[in-house]
Amino acid sequence: GESVGLHLPTLSVQEGDNSIINCAYSNSASDYFIWYKQESGKGPQFIIDIRSNMDKRQGQRVTVLLNKTVKHLSLQIAATQPGDSAVYFCAELFNQAGTALIFGKGTTLSVSS
Amino acid sequence: KAGVTQTPRYLIKTRGQQVTLSCSPISGHRSVSWYQQTPGQGLQFLFEYFSETQRNKGNFPGRFSGRQFSNSRSEMNVSTLELGDSALYLCASTRDASQETQYFGPGTRLLVL
Repeated sequence: GESVGLHLPTLSVQEGDNSIINCAYSNSASDYFIWYKQESGKGPQFIIDIRSNMDKRQGQRVTVLLNKTVKHLSLQIAATQPGDSAVYFCAELFNQAGTALIFGKGTTLSVSS
Repeated sequence: KAGVTQTPRYLIKTRGQQVTLSCSPISGHRSVSWYQQTPGQGLQFLFEYFSETQRNKGNFPGRFSGRQFSNSRSEMNVSTLELGDSALYLCASTRDASQETQYFGPGTRLLVL
C-alpha cells in the first residue's frame, strides 16, 4: 500500500554536528510534504513543509530537500543541539480534498553534548 | 493565539466501555483531523471534519466516530473499547485549504484495561 517511510529508526549525533534524516515516499501523486518533531509527552510540532514544485526549502537551521525522481525527502538540521533530541516524522498529503496525512514511522534523533 | 487543546489528557477505561475525546482547534481554524498513535502502527489518520461534515475517513472500524460543532470544536467517540484501542489520540487543525499546515494538540492518552 501507499506509505511514507524513514530509512533509519535512530540517529545519534554530537552537539554541533549537522544531522540528516531521510524519508522515502511511495505515492508519486503526493504533492505536499511535511516534517514534524515530536518530543516525549507532546504532540507533533511542525518544522517545515515543501510542495512538489520545489526541490529545496530552508528554515531556521533546517533544510528540506525533495527529490521527486527517486521519491526521497530529507531533513537537514544544522549545528544540532541537545534540544533537537526528539522523534522526527515525515508526512505526505494523501488526499487533495482533505488533510489526511500519511506518516512515516519516525526517526529518533539523540544529541549528546 | 492559543494552540490546539485536547481534553482530557489522560483516560483509563475498561474493555467494552465507550469514550469521548474533545478537541478545540486554533481560533479561526475550521478543519479538524484526528489521528491515532501507537508504538506498533505509528500515526494513523482516523477522520477529518470541516464545517461540521466528515470530509475524509481512514481505515478504522465503525466503532470510531466523530463529529464537529458549529464552533469547529470536535469530538471523537470510541464505542465497545478493545485493549488495542490503547493509544495516544491526536487532533490537528488547519484553516481550511487542503495544504495548510496542520497544527497538533498534545493528545489524549487512552489506556484500556
